[in-house]
Amino acid sequence: GENVEQHPSTLSVQEGDSAVIKCTYSDSASNYFPWYKQELGKRPQLIIDIRSNVGEKKDQRIAVTLNKTAKHFSLHITETQPEDSAVYFCAAQGNDMRFGAGTRLTVKP
Amino acid sequence: GAGVSQSPSNKVTEKGKDVELRCDPISGHTALYWYRQSLGQGLEFLIYFQGNSAPDKSGLPSDRFSAERTGGSVSTLTIQRTQQEDSAVYLCASSFLARGNTGELFFGEGSRLTVL
Repeated sequence: GENVEQHPSTLSVQEGDSAVIKCTYSDSASNYFPWYKQELGKRPQLIIDIRSNVGEKKDQRIAVTLNKTAKHFSLHITETQPEDSAVYFCAAQGNDMRFGAGTRLTVKP
Repeated sequence: GAGVSQSPSNKVTEKGKDVELRCDPISGHTALYWYRQSLGQGLEFLIYFQGNSAPDKSGLPSDRFSAERTGGSVSTLTIQRTQQEDSAVYLCASSFLARGNTGELFFGEGSRLTVL
């Protein structure tokens, strides 16, 4: 089955700086790559997604890039704010949806 | 209801007992997933139901775990002879699969299982 690896496991940035989280996947048939944000004690929620026919997608301060050849995709958050502090999960969907191990992002004011 | 509903929200049980966790997906969603999240850890895939197809059980950690989905709606995850390492939050998610059989997952609040 699909195997998704995510780095780094923890990330601490200063407010206003950018944050980048990277993921790789193993199944070349995977065609959908969402990112979820999970705040402490809450359920994961979708923040952005990208499909395999697109290389980049942007939504305000959040962008995702996809390199199908290399089988990796990344989340970019610009102008980080303290409320961006959470655990972020990447995922890849082939036959089913598999998640990375998560990145705990801390934005220091 | 408007979202994915899970019950119970909290369950404390003794080692060796069986537990059942219930998930009521969003109406009309054909895809249903179960994930396990241990404290501070990631989302471990357990099982996936899609319509009337045979479920993808490849993530179930042992034969003590089983799940069913009746009538394409409500799902029950059963853990037999619980062990302490089964303690975790069990998350259910559902999706209306759109193009390319892909779509956003909507998660429930989870069922927190504690095995003493």
